[in-house]
Amino acid sequence: GAGVSQSPSNKVTEKGKDVELRCDPISGHTALYWYRQRLGQGLEFLIYFQGNSAPDKSGLPSDRFSAERTGESVSTLTIQRTQQEDSAVYLCASSQGTGSHYGYTFGSGTRLTVV
Amino acid sequence: SQQGEEDPQALSIQEGENATMNCSYKTSINNLQWYRQNSGRGLVHLILIRSNEREKHSGRLRVTLDTSKKSSSLLITASRAADTASYFCATYGGGADGLTFGKGTHLIIQP
Repeated sequence: GAGVSQSPSNKVTEKGKDVELRCDPISGHTALYWYRQRLGQGLEFLIYFQGNSAPDKSGLPSDRFSAERTGESVSTLTIQRTQQEDSAVYLCASSQGTGSHYGYTFGSGTRLTVV
Repeated sequence: SQQGEEDPQALSIQEGENATMNCSYKTSINNLQWYRQNSGRGLVHLILIRSNEREKHSGRLRVTLDTSKKSSSLLITASRAADTASYFCATYGGGADGLTFGKGTHLIIQP
């Protein structure tokens, strides 16, 4: 597609429920990144994919968080047993590669509210 | 962990004035990038400056990089109301976790 697409744009869920966030990167972009942004804060790195492999999962906040990617396309970020501190905007970005030349293209994010 | 730290945290200026934001970082970098975030939206890539470059221009944007001081500045000339946004610097150190973002400078342009 023309840009990075994230869905849903907003999600309100009850504490303890599982949620799944989706990211469609730009076609041909091999690298895909997930970040979390709490209100008024900077971006917190969660995980990145090169193709469908995730070399570094150390940014995931807890074992309730997991992510996968199908080939070089769609990625899903799953949060199990959501907690109130999971409330944030989850941003996905893609780039042509993980080298030093590339800027990221971000989606508009999913605003998650856990009540 | 956040490597880049923007300064100031918030800046309010009159339309037409120039806006300068600074970014400091801690470890060696491959490149440094600046992004803009309008309220409630994703980030937009503005400009990338490599570690062997000292200055770069793009339209009304001017970025400088001083690797000896581990700092960068973003200058927006002749500001417009539409420039109101948060501006983030991000550093790439060549590691596996991609870009590391600062907390941003919130810029308000008063009409």
